[in-house]
Amino acid sequence: DTEVTQTPKHLVMGMTNKKSLKCEQHMGHRAMYWYKQKAKKPPELMFVYSYEKLSINESVPSRFSPECPNSSLLNLHLHALQPEDSALYLCASSHPGTGGVGQPQHFGDGTRLSIL
Amino acid sequence: KNQVEQSPQSLIILEGKNCTLQCNYTVSPFSNLRWYKQDTGRGPVSLTIMTFSENTKSNGRYTATLDADTKQSSLHITASQLSDSASYICVLRRTNAGKSTFGDGTTLTVKP
Repeated sequence: DTEVTQTPKHLVMGMTNKKSLKCEQHMGHRAMYWYKQKAKKPPELMFVYSYEKLSINESVPSRFSPECPNSSLLNLHLHALQPEDSALYLCASSHPGTGGVGQPQHFGDGTRLSIL
Repeated sequence: KNQVEQSPQSLIILEGKNCTLQCNYTVSPFSNLRWYKQDTGRGPVSLTIMTFSENTKSNGRYTATLDADTKQSSLHITASQLSDSASYICVLRRTNAGKSTFGDGTTLTVKP
């Protein structure tokens, strides 16, 4: 069992739908991350939250909207996604490190997202 | 050109054999280097983490080494098991930007 819990494990949605991915950790980590991973590729950083504030946005399209309601939870709101957004979305957490951005220490098992 | 390059891209070995995966990097300066194992359909799991001043770190049958002079790291797997079949990813955390740079990974297949 991983210490970072992501729900749902699988999600199929149409291009006009609105859905949210959820991530939860109770390790006291104050940095949380969203990554996108395509098949046979390494994870690509999307967003980093440090102390519940957005510290890095890797020029992600606005159809992805992150939210960090508290130190244990991280959401990714999805709206009007495109077929190329189909991927595995991984959440990770760590201590913040220098400058508030650490190195992801614990990953969840991801949400497999398919856009029809 | 990726600042973290891993080789080989894929590797097939027989159960019980040893193997070594390579990671060459140009990221500098960096604060730490981490090796992850990612099973199919799962998230990456951290195997070892080394600061720039460390030379070696072990975790059971996994031993990572770091040579800062040649800018190379390796992950040695001893007495491989079928469960070692996975992707292995080398990641460096840059000191200044704080962000991490991922290698493309090595896919290891262990056959009986």
